[in-house]
Amino acid sequence: DIQMTQSPSSLSASVGDRVTITCRASQSISSYLNWYQQKPGKAPKLLIYAASSLQSGVPSRFSGSGSGTDFTLTISSLQPEDFATYYCQQSYTPFTFGPGTKVDIK
Amino acid sequence: EVQLVESGGVVVQPGGSLRLSCAASGFTFDDYTMHWVRQAPGKGLEWVSLISWDGGSTYYADSVKGRFTISRDNSKNSLYLQMNSLRTEDTALYYCAKEYKYLDSGYYFDYWGQGTLVTVSS
Repeated sequence: DIQMTQSPSSLSASVGDRVTITCRASQSISSYLNWYQQKPGKAPKLLIYAASSLQSGVPSRFSGSGSGTDFTLTISSLQPEDFATYYCQQSYTPFTFGPGTKVDIK
Repeated sequence: EVQLVESGGVVVQPGGSLRLSCAASGFTFDDYTMHWVRQAPGKGLEWVSLISWDGGSTYYADSVKGRFTISRDNSKNSLYLQMNSLRTEDTALYYCAKEYKYLDSGYYFDYWGQGTLVTVSS
């Protein structure tokens, strides 16, 4: 089975900061990598699919990059509503999630 | 508007059984593969199972294989998860999720329900 890791597991940042989260797959998954945002008490929300495609309605400050085994989610200028937990997910086979990265207020 | 509404979560003893349901609306249910994803309290997301549009293909996480069975009734726009031989580690919020396929073989979950809580405890 494909294992997913994320780093860091948590980070503290301020509004306006540039934030980068890394996701790594245990084997190549091409670009079959999605990113979700989850706020407390809510279901996850899709942000990025196919490693770098922005889901409709998601602000352009979110971007994704990478292929193969190494991927990155970047928030260019952190907004108050972005404090949440972020999960990567591979959809190569079958649908493993990363352990999550919690972004909280510094 | 797409809606997924899970139900059936309760407190059950270890070794017990439970069936979860997910009622779907707002889209053509029998066009899409559906999934169950769970989240233990304070923990991350774990994919559990999927079923193809016609029920002909099913897949399970190793952690539930042989104990859980996914099914669907397209005439009722409903998804199910039969959970047997429940363990304390199955305690979680169970989400149903709709799959969206892009290009030839890319997939993501575009809609999620709000989840139903299963607690396995004596």
